[in-house]
Amino acid sequence: ETGVTQTPRHLVMGMTNKKSLKCEQHLGHNAMYWYKQSAKKPLELMFVYNFKEQTENNSVPSRFSPECPNSSHLFLHLHTLQPEDSALYLCASSLGQENTEAFFGQGTRLTVV
Amino acid sequence: GQNIDQPTEMTATEGAIVQINCTYQTSGFNGLFWYQQHAGEAPTFLSYNVLDGLEEKGRFSSFLSRSKGYSYLLLKELQMKDSASYLCAVKDSNYQLIWGAGTKLIIKP
Repeated sequence: ETGVTQTPRHLVMGMTNKKSLKCEQHLGHNAMYWYKQSAKKPLELMFVYNFKEQTENNSVPSRFSPECPNSSHLFLHLHTLQPEDSALYLCASSLGQENTEAFFGQGTRLTVV
Repeated sequence: GQNIDQPTEMTATEGAIVQINCTYQTSGFNGLFWYQQHAGEAPTFLSYNVLDGLEEKGRFSSFLSRSKGYSYLLLKELQMKDSASYLCAVKDSNYQLIWGAGTKLIIKP
């Protein structure tokens, strides 16, 4: 248990569906992150929020839309995804964006059919 | 471009010692992290190095040479539960984490 909770753990969706991934942390952290993890590839940073403000958007397609309503919650809204978007989506948080370790959630295994 | 290299897979024997290497080329350096990730689980923090030298934490140690762009993770007295992927990551000048693809460590009895 890392203190970062993601739901759902598994998600299967069609290319025309709309779904949302949820992440919650009660560690008092100020920075939250979305990562994509594909098999045998490095973790890809998607979005960073620091004090609820988006500070990074690493050229992520608009079919992924993040939302950070407060410093404890982070969402990733999905629509019209492609099969190549199938991956493990990991949420993480850290005290700050600087030299502090990140705590990860267990991820959502997403399959797009 | 920025790059982190580590071996894809390693095999070791229970009770032995294994060293997992990581080399990096990044724009700036603000620390190097090692994480452990068991299959289907979250990556968990193992170690952080920002100065040259060896950091020891129980059975695990991590070494850093900034001039060589090199780090290693040393695991002693290997146990079956150490079978996992080990991820090397470097914080660049913008404090963004750049990740390696991970090393899958297989422990055999």
